[in-house]
Amino acid sequence: GENVEQHPSTLSVQEGDSAVIKCTYSDSASNYFPWYKQELGKRPQLIIDIRSNVGEKKDQRIAVTLNKTAKHFSLHITETQPEDSAVYFCGINTGTASKLTFGTGTRLQVTL
Amino acid sequence: DAGITQSPRYKITETGRQVTLMCHQTWSHSYMFWYRQDLGHGLRLIYYSAAADITDKGEVPDGYVVSRSKTENFPLTLESATRSQTSVYFCASRPRGGDTQYFGPGTRLTVL
Repeated sequence: GENVEQHPSTLSVQEGDSAVIKCTYSDSASNYFPWYKQELGKRPQLIIDIRSNVGEKKDQRIAVTLNKTAKHFSLHITETQPEDSAVYFCGINTGTASKLTFGTGTRLQVTL
Repeated sequence: DAGITQSPRYKITETGRQVTLMCHQTWSHSYMFWYRQDLGHGLRLIYYSAAADITDKGEVPDGYVVSRSKTENFPLTLESATRSQTSVYFCASRPRGGDTQYFGPGTRLTVL
């Protein structure tokens, strides 16, 4: 089936530093790549997404880059803050119903 | 976010019992999805539905049954619960023609 590998599984950074999470995928037909943030005990919420016709997208301190040739995309968070601490999931769309397949998540901890 | 709700939010049951988890959305979204979330596995798709009376299997459908008689509801039934079905279950929906999935608040199910 469709596969998404997400790394690292845990990431600890100091406040103000940058964080980068990477996902690789195998389905060349995928054309939609979302990133979700899940705080402890809460639902996953979309923070940014990108489509295959775009190489980079930015929204304030977060950005996503996509390399379709190499089949990987990354989430970049700059100037990290304690409220960025959460689990982040990448996703890819697959199939005719545009189902999402998710990576296994990255637990980001921002320390003071 | 208030547009998609799940009930109950917490449920404890015993092995062999039937359990139904409810999902309701007020957006008239065509697509609805059920995921389970387990440590180390991320979010895995159980079943999805493209419209009323149209359902299909996801990655981990064994032991689950779904129905969708109305657009706004998508119940998930565990016909004979097993301990391995202890998990957090998330329902999600998205509109036809859109890619973004919106998640419900989740149901934490414990099977003793």
